[in-house]
Amino acid sequence: QVQLQESGPGLMKPSETLSLTCSVSGASISPYYWGWIRQPPGKGLEWIGFIYYTGSTTYNPSLDSRVTISVDTSKNQFSLKVNSVTSADMAVYYCARAYANRGSFDVWGQGTMVTVSS
Amino acid sequence: DIQMTQSPSSVSASVGDRVTITCRASHDVSSWLAWYQQKPGKAPKLLIYSASRLQIGVPSRFSGSGSGTDFTLTISSLQPEDFATYYCQVADRFRWTFGQGTKVEIK
Repeated sequence: QVQLQESGPGLMKPSETLSLTCSVSGASISPYYWGWIRQPPGKGLEWIGFIYYTGSTTYNPSLDSRVTISVDTSKNQFSLKVNSVTSADMAVYYCARAYANRGSFDVWGQGTMVTVSS
Repeated sequence: DIQMTQSPSSVSASVGDRVTITCRASHDVSSWLAWYQQKPGKAPKLLIYSASRLQIGVPSRFSGSGSGTDFTLTISSLQPEDFATYYCQVADRFRWTFGQGTKVEIK
């Protein structure tokens, strides 16, 4: 079955760039959309953005200026970068497959906690 | 941007109860509405997509209804494993937005 696994540093300092990777197994990156979602401790879910296997992206306008999502089809992975992190970026970050025709995320990674602290 | 209003924020219920959660969109989203269940420390799990379509493997006690701006998730007979937080999510073109969540607690 399809499995997603996030990886990246768990601890960051303010103003650094957060980099996370999502490795996909059990399915090809194409022809799906892939997304990132985050959840601050004790709070709700926030959609960050999507990437299509072709590299086309869409971002949440509230994060657009600081976020970049990229895809590496040869490695069956996609990645997230968030510039200039602050404590407001501290959250569990999830990667997920976006089933665009159904408007929903049908497969999720387990999530990875990112802490921002000086 | 679209706004989602989910209610109630929490509900206390007993095993066997019928539970209803609502989600209202700030403008018409047709049937582009999904529901998720999230348990503590776990990733969300897709329950319903396209407002009323049950995801494969989800028990039939879960159902979704609505279209346009008003949507409902119903659990017909609450089971012990259903105590969790539930989120709606709208797909408004390529702006996907989640509701604030509803925590279903044991009464």
